[in-house]
Amino acid sequence: GAVVSQHPSRVICKSGTSVKIECRSLDFQATTMFWYRQFPKKSLMLMATSNEGSKATYEQGVEKDKFLINHASLTLSTLTVTSAHPEDSSFYICSARDTSGGEWTEAFFGQGTRLTVV
Amino acid sequence: GQNIDQPTEMTATEGAIVQINCTYQTSGFNGLFWYQQHAGEAPTFLSYNVLDGLEEKGRFSSFLSRSKGYSYLLLKELQMKDSASYLCAVRDSNYQLIWGAGTKLIIKP
Repeated sequence: GAVVSQHPSRVICKSGTSVKIECRSLDFQATTMFWYRQFPKKSLMLMATSNEGSKATYEQGVEKDKFLINHASLTLSTLTVTSAHPEDSSFYICSARDTSGGEWTEAFFGQGTRLTVV
Repeated sequence: GQNIDQPTEMTATEGAIVQINCTYQTSGFNGLFWYQQHAGEAPTFLSYNVLDGLEEKGRFSSFLSRSKGYSYLLLKELQMKDSASYLCAVRDSNYQLIWGAGTKLIIKP
Protein backbone atom coordinates (compact mmCIF):
# COMPACT_ATOMS: atom_id res chain seq x y z
CA GLY A 1 0.00 0.00 0.00
CA ALA A 2 0.87 3.65 -0.23
CA VAL A 3 3.24 5.14 2.30
CA VAL A 4 2.89 8.34 4.26
CA SER A 5 5.91 9.48 6.21
CA GLN A 6 5.62 11.82 9.16
CA HIS A 7 8.54 13.49 10.89
CA PRO A 8 9.56 13.85 13.65
CA SER A 9 8.06 10.95 15.54
CA ARG A 10 8.75 12.53 18.86
CA VAL A 11 9.62 16.08 19.89
CA ILE A 12 10.04 17.91 23.15
CA CYS A 13 10.04 21.69 23.07
CA LYS A 14 10.00 24.55 25.48
CA SER A 15 6.87 26.54 26.11
CA GLY A 16 6.66 29.53 23.76
CA THR A 17 8.64 27.98 20.93
CA SER A 18 7.30 26.69 17.62
CA VAL A 19 7.43 23.16 16.26
CA LYS A 20 7.08 22.04 12.65
CA ILE A 21 5.76 18.59 11.74
CA GLU A 22 6.14 17.28 8.20
CA CYS A 23 3.90 14.83 6.38
CA ARG A 24 5.00 13.35 3.07
CA SER A 25 3.27 11.01 0.68
CA LEU A 26 6.13 8.87 -0.64
CA ASP A 27 4.68 7.06 -3.64
CA PHE A 28 1.60 8.98 -4.63
CA GLN A 29 0.45 12.55 -5.02
CA ALA A 30 -1.91 13.84 -2.39
CA THR A 31 -3.85 16.97 -3.26
CA THR A 32 -5.46 16.74 0.14
CA MET A 33 -3.96 15.76 3.46
CA PHE A 34 -5.57 15.69 6.88
CA TRP A 35 -4.22 16.59 10.27
CA TYR A 36 -5.55 14.88 13.38
CA ARG A 37 -4.95 15.27 17.06
CA GLN A 38 -5.48 12.44 19.48
CA PHE A 39 -5.72 12.67 23.23
CA PRO A 40 -4.99 9.64 25.42
CA LYS A 41 -7.67 6.99 25.17
CA LYS A 42 -9.65 9.15 22.76
CA SER A 43 -10.40 8.88 19.10
CA LEU A 44 -8.93 10.92 16.29
CA MET A 45 -10.01 14.55 16.19
CA LEU A 46 -9.78 16.16 12.77
CA MET A 47 -8.04 19.51 13.08
CA ALA A 48 -7.82 20.65 9.50
CA THR A 49 -7.83 19.63 5.88
CA SER A 50 -4.73 20.65 3.99
CA ASN A 51 -5.22 21.52 0.32
CA GLU A 52 -2.32 21.76 -2.10
CA GLY A 53 -1.90 25.28 -3.39
CA SER A 54 -4.64 26.82 -1.28
CA LYS A 55 -5.53 27.62 2.29
CA ALA A 56 -6.27 24.88 4.74
CA THR A 57 -9.77 24.30 6.00
CA TYR A 58 -9.91 24.26 9.77
CA GLU A 59 -12.47 22.49 11.93
CA GLN A 60 -14.53 24.48 14.35
CA GLY A 61 -12.62 25.37 17.48
CA VAL A 62 -9.16 24.92 15.97
CA GLU A 63 -7.09 28.11 15.99
CA LYS A 64 -5.67 28.61 12.53
CA ASP A 65 -3.13 31.15 13.74
CA LYS A 66 -1.79 28.67 16.23
CA PHE A 67 -1.75 25.63 13.99
CA LEU A 68 -0.28 26.81 10.71
CA ILE A 69 -0.66 24.46 7.79
CA ASN A 70 1.25 24.71 4.54
CA HIS A 71 0.67 22.34 1.63
CA ALA A 72 3.26 23.60 -0.81
CA SER A 73 3.53 20.54 -3.03
CA LEU A 74 1.57 17.43 -3.96
CA THR A 75 3.68 15.33 -1.62
CA LEU A 76 4.29 17.54 1.41
CA SER A 77 2.14 19.18 4.04
CA THR A 78 3.48 20.79 7.21
CA LEU A 79 1.83 21.61 10.50
CA THR A 80 3.51 24.25 12.65
CA VAL A 81 2.43 24.58 16.25
CA THR A 82 3.25 28.18 17.10
CA SER A 83 3.98 29.50 20.57
CA ALA A 84 3.46 26.05 22.00
CA HIS A 85 2.04 25.61 25.48
CA PRO A 86 1.86 22.50 27.67
CA GLU A 87 -1.79 22.02 26.74
CA ASP A 88 -0.68 21.53 23.13
CA SER A 89 1.09 18.36 24.16
CA SER A 90 -0.59 15.58 22.24
CA PHE A 91 -0.25 12.98 19.51
CA TYR A 92 -0.56 14.54 16.06
CA ILE A 93 -1.24 12.33 13.04
CA CYS A 94 -1.42 13.17 9.36
CA SER A 95 -3.34 11.24 6.76
CA ALA A 96 -3.46 11.23 2.99
CA ARG A 97 -5.61 9.53 0.41
CA ASP A 98 -4.56 8.28 -2.99
CA THR A 99 -7.33 9.29 -5.36
CA SER A 100 -5.44 8.56 -8.56
CA GLY A 101 -7.49 5.42 -9.14
CA GLY A 102 -10.82 7.10 -8.50
CA GLU A 103 -12.69 6.67 -5.25
CA TRP A 104 -10.33 6.04 -2.40
CA THR A 105 -10.83 3.00 -0.20
CA GLU A 106 -8.10 3.51 2.32
CA ALA A 107 -6.76 6.42 4.28
CA PHE A 108 -3.02 6.16 4.85
CA PHE A 109 -1.58 7.50 8.05
CA GLY A 110 1.79 8.85 8.97
CA GLN A 111 3.56 7.40 11.96
CA GLY A 112 2.34 10.18 14.23
CA THR A 113 4.24 12.80 16.22
CA ARG A 114 4.28 12.81 19.99
CA LEU A 115 4.65 16.46 21.02
CA THR A 116 5.57 17.29 24.58
CA VAL A 117 5.74 20.95 25.59
CA VAL A 118 7.64 21.60 28.81
CA GLY B 1 -25.76 14.86 14.52
CA GLN B 2 -23.38 12.18 13.41
CA ASN B 3 -22.48 9.41 15.79
CA ILE B 4 -20.39 6.27 15.86
CA ASP B 5 -20.80 3.92 18.83
CA GLN B 6 -18.47 1.13 19.84
CA PRO B 7 -17.70 -0.46 23.20
CA THR B 8 -14.97 1.26 25.17
CA GLU B 9 -13.14 -1.87 26.18
CA MET B 10 -13.29 -5.62 25.69
CA THR B 11 -11.31 -8.52 27.11
CA ALA B 12 -10.69 -11.85 25.41
CA THR B 13 -8.48 -14.90 25.79
CA GLU B 14 -5.57 -15.84 23.56
CA GLY B 15 -6.69 -18.29 20.89
CA ALA B 16 -10.35 -17.34 21.20
CA ILE B 17 -12.66 -15.30 18.96
CA VAL B 18 -13.91 -11.78 19.66
CA GLN B 19 -16.47 -9.61 17.91
CA ILE B 20 -16.27 -5.82 18.15
CA ASN B 21 -19.49 -4.06 17.23
CA CYS B 22 -19.96 -0.64 15.70
CA THR B 23 -23.24 1.20 15.13
CA TYR B 24 -23.49 4.46 13.27
CA GLN B 25 -25.84 7.30 12.47
CA THR B 26 -24.37 9.53 9.80
CA SER B 27 -25.48 11.93 7.11
CA GLY B 28 -25.13 9.54 4.22
CA PHE B 29 -22.92 6.52 3.88
CA ASN B 30 -20.04 5.87 1.54
CA GLY B 31 -18.20 3.07 3.23
CA LEU B 32 -17.07 1.87 6.63
CA PHE B 33 -13.49 1.33 7.74
CA TRP B 34 -11.83 -0.57 10.55
CA TYR B 35 -8.41 0.44 11.79
CA GLN B 36 -6.09 -1.04 14.38
CA GLN B 37 -4.08 1.26 16.60
CA HIS B 38 -1.41 0.14 19.02
CA ALA B 39 -0.64 2.47 21.90
CA GLY B 40 1.51 5.38 20.81
CA GLU B 41 1.29 4.48 17.13
CA ALA B 42 -0.75 5.67 14.20
CA PRO B 43 -3.76 3.65 13.01
CA THR B 44 -3.24 0.93 10.42
CA PHE B 45 -5.88 -0.10 7.92
CA LEU B 46 -7.71 -3.39 8.48
CA SER B 47 -10.80 -3.44 6.29
CA TYR B 48 -13.26 -1.54 4.16
CA ASN B 49 -16.94 -2.40 3.63
CA VAL B 50 -19.31 -0.57 1.32
CA LEU B 51 -21.77 -3.36 0.47
CA ASP B 52 -23.71 -5.53 2.90
CA GLY B 53 -22.09 -8.74 3.89
CA LEU B 54 -18.93 -10.23 5.25
CA GLU B 55 -15.42 -9.43 4.08
CA GLU B 56 -12.82 -11.94 5.20
CA LYS B 57 -9.12 -11.25 5.34
CA GLY B 58 -7.10 -13.87 7.14
CA ARG B 59 -7.90 -13.95 10.85
CA PHE B 60 -9.93 -10.75 10.57
CA SER B 61 -13.40 -10.40 9.08
CA SER B 62 -15.67 -7.38 8.87
CA PHE B 63 -19.42 -7.38 8.43
CA LEU B 64 -21.74 -4.60 7.32
CA SER B 65 -25.50 -4.11 7.40
CA ARG B 66 -26.37 -0.72 5.93
CA SER B 67 -30.07 -1.01 6.73
CA LYS B 68 -29.24 -1.49 10.41
CA GLY B 69 -26.37 0.99 10.52
CA TYR B 70 -24.24 -1.78 11.97
CA SER B 71 -20.88 -3.37 11.48
CA TYR B 72 -18.67 -5.75 13.37
CA LEU B 73 -15.04 -6.75 13.28
CA LEU B 74 -14.40 -10.41 14.02
CA LEU B 75 -10.97 -11.49 15.18
CA LYS B 76 -10.20 -15.22 15.25
CA GLU B 77 -7.37 -17.17 16.83
CA LEU B 78 -6.48 -14.21 18.97
CA GLN B 79 -2.83 -13.50 19.58
CA MET B 80 -1.28 -11.33 22.25
CA LYS B 81 -0.17 -8.88 19.55
CA ASP B 82 -3.84 -8.23 18.78
CA SER B 83 -4.05 -6.22 21.99
CA ALA B 84 -4.77 -2.74 20.61
CA SER B 85 -7.53 -0.24 20.03
CA TYR B 86 -9.85 -0.87 17.10
CA LEU B 87 -11.36 2.17 15.44
CA CYS B 88 -14.52 2.16 13.37
CA ALA B 89 -14.93 5.02 10.88
CA VAL B 90 -17.69 5.88 8.43
CA ARG B 91 -17.33 7.96 5.29
CA ASP B 92 -20.33 10.23 5.05
CA SER B 93 -22.11 11.86 2.11
CA ASN B 94 -19.42 14.57 1.98
CA TYR B 95 -16.73 11.90 1.85
CA GLN B 96 -15.54 12.91 5.29
CA LEU B 97 -14.44 10.27 7.77
CA ILE B 98 -16.39 10.15 11.01
CA TRP B 99 -14.44 8.29 13.68
CA GLY B 100 -15.63 6.22 16.59
CA ALA B 101 -13.83 6.54 19.92
CA GLY B 102 -12.26 3.13 19.50
CA THR B 103 -12.50 -0.15 21.39
CA LYS B 104 -9.56 -1.15 23.53
CA LEU B 105 -9.09 -4.90 23.22
CA ILE B 106 -7.20 -6.65 26.00
CA ILE B 107 -5.95 -10.17 25.30
CA LYS B 108 -5.23 -12.41 28.27
CA PRO B 109 -3.11 -15.58 28.14
